[in-house]
Amino acid sequence: AQSVTQLDSQVPVFEEAPVELRCNYSSSVSVYLFWYVQYPNQGLQLLLKYLSGSTLVKGINGFEAEFNKSQTSFHLRKPSVHISDTAEYFCAVSKIQGAQKLVFGQGTRLTINP
Amino acid sequence: KAGVTQTPRYLIKTRGQQVTLSCSPISGHRSVSWYQQTPGQGLQFLFEYFSETQRNKGNFPGRFSGRQFSNSRSEMNVSTLELGDSALYLCASSLTGSEGNTIYFGEGSWLTVV
Repeated sequence: AQSVTQLDSQVPVFEEAPVELRCNYSSSVSVYLFWYVQYPNQGLQLLLKYLSGSTLVKGINGFEAEFNKSQTSFHLRKPSVHISDTAEYFCAVSKIQGAQKLVFGQGTRLTINP
Repeated sequence: KAGVTQTPRYLIKTRGQQVTLSCSPISGHRSVSWYQQTPGQGLQFLFEYFSETQRNKGNFPGRFSGRQFSNSRSEMNVSTLELGDSALYLCASSLTGSEGNTIYFGEGSWLTVV
């Protein structure tokens, strides 16, 4: 079975400051890794995903994440946040083999203060 | 290109009733999956369909069921509603539901059970 732990339930930062949202996972098999964002009263939008290759993945809205296999981590970063980045962020994994079933972390609420 | 469309967006049901939620995937997508989102349990996988066949099922009671039609549209049904079924139900689609295909989410159906 797979599990995902997002280490911070809430992260407050000031506008234009850098941010890192932490994600660790556990799995006995190889997995794909994803970050999704959810704005209030909306569904989930894919920010980025890691399938294979370069461990540094760039996504939309200036976000990037680094896959670290030895530490089983997939932390999300942005060098300078904007008010519009206020949202809930979810890290997820799915097994490489077979039909995709996303296993999500509990989410991190990112609040940007002016 | 239209995204994943879910109907209805909001509904209120009484305990003991049943409910059917509908989902139209992105054109060309053959995999449809459903997730339940609650404040307490977070995002949990319900089931996934591909070519009208259920390929994967989460840990939910038999009151939760679904189906997929030949045009890839999907419905999920919850019978004998309980207060704890109040949640945001998210439908998602992808090309094949495997190999790391991007999974796109709809905006969800908000179900309140009273």
